[in-house]
Amino acid sequence: DAKTTQPTSMDCAEGRAANLPCNHSTISGNEYVYWYRQIHSQGPQYIIHGLKNNETNEMASLIITEDRKSSTLILPHATLRDTAVYYCIVNQAAGNKLTFGGGTRVLVKP
Amino acid sequence: GAVVSQHPSWVICKSGTSVKIECRSLDFQATTMFWYRQFPKQSLMLMATSNEGSKATYEQGVEKDKFLINHASLTLSTLTVTSAHPEDSSFYICSARDPRGHQETQYFGPGTRLLVL
Repeated sequence: DAKTTQPTSMDCAEGRAANLPCNHSTISGNEYVYWYRQIHSQGPQYIIHGLKNNETNEMASLIITEDRKSSTLILPHATLRDTAVYYCIVNQAAGNKLTFGGGTRVLVKP
Repeated sequence: GAVVSQHPSWVICKSGTSVKIECRSLDFQATTMFWYRQFPKQSLMLMATSNEGSKATYEQGVEKDKFLINHASLTLSTLTVTSAHPEDSSFYICSARDPRGHQETQYFGPGTRLLVL
């Protein structure tokens, strides 16, 4: 599976949009981009995934560049409860074993 | 999303004892479940893949005789830490593959915190 690169940490203001970048320059044509988050002392929570097109659900939006070498997870209106470690994972299918990197530690501040 | 539960949520045991952790998919059948381990301030590390009705597949460096995995039904996988020692203290998390829908998605349990004294 392709490796991903994410910033170690970032802060964002409550109520503002949080944009989380992820680089995956070695992604293959059949690999999806998955995002999970882990709130302190809990199991990871699925957020969203995509292949080529931008995706949106009730939690977030996923923007994938045309060359698929990078993507951005957007939390439209960050709340304090969005404070967590966010993991960007590239995988052929979420049903396969997932490899977690370091993720981005997001701190939402009042 | 789908629901995966774990039991117990936390456990304290004496060194040398065995501890069993259960992972259940509550609203779907999971032919494949995964077991992860997470040490403080570290990311999740996959330990093994649990397949219903067959032997688990262990990641390199994970002792299969120490971490026994049983996936006897489509909704339950168990991880038994045998002869636990203090270095086995960790956060154990399971996940289950939900086969419904166009793209299979993996959902995680809430985790089990193990402390071996």
